Amino acid sequence: GENVEQHPSTLSVQEGDSAVIKCTYSDSASNYFPWYKQELGKRPQLIIDIRSNVGEKKDQRIAVTLNKTAKHFSLHITETQPEDSAVYFCAASTPRLGSWGKLQFGAGTQVVVTP
Amino acid sequence: NAGVMQNPRHLVRRRGQEARLRCSPMKGHSHVYWYRQLPEEGLKFMVYLQKENIIDESGMPKERFSAEFPKEGPSILRIQQVVRGDSAAYFCASSPPGQANTEAFFGQGTRLTVV
Repeated sequence: GENVEQHPSTLSVQEGDSAVIKCTYSDSASNYFPWYKQELGKRPQLIIDIRSNVGEKKDQRIAVTLNKTAKHFSLHITETQPEDSAVYFCAASTPRLGSWGKLQFGAGTQVVVTP
Repeated sequence: NAGVMQNPRHLVRRRGQEARLRCSPMKGHSHVYWYRQLPEEGLKFMVYLQKENIIDESGMPKERFSAEFPKEGPSILRIQQVVRGDSAAYFCASSPPGQANTEAFFGQGTRLTVV
């Protein structure tokens, strides 16, 4: 089955700096890679996702890159703000019966943005 | 269109009791997924269901845990004879069929505490 590894487990950055989180996956059949942000006591919320036919995707201060050959993908947050502080999870999915909802999650990265 | 609804939000059970967690998917979604999140850990896939069918239960513990998604009504995750190690947040996610819309929407979760 799929195995997703995520690094680092914790990340402290100064406000305004960039944050980068990296993930690797094992199943070459995986072709959907979402990133979720989870604040303490709340549900995971999708912040950006990428499909395997795209190498990079950007949404304002957030970008994700995917290298299918190397089986790794990364989340980049620029100009970090205190409200970016949360746990971030990467995930990988292989479509099954027309659905992509079975996700294999990384262990998470606790991001702390200090003013 | 209400989001994924889970209830109860918090559930306290004594060891040996049964826990029933409910999940109503978003309107039009026919795929339901259950995930478990142990304290300070990532989300682990448990089971994938469609109406009246269990599609993938590879993440379900072999004993005491069961799930259903009946033709009418919410999906139910049932834990019999709970133990302290079952204490966790249980999240349900739903997605529509087809690959055109890939996002899995998460509910707010049920936080189970076994005392």
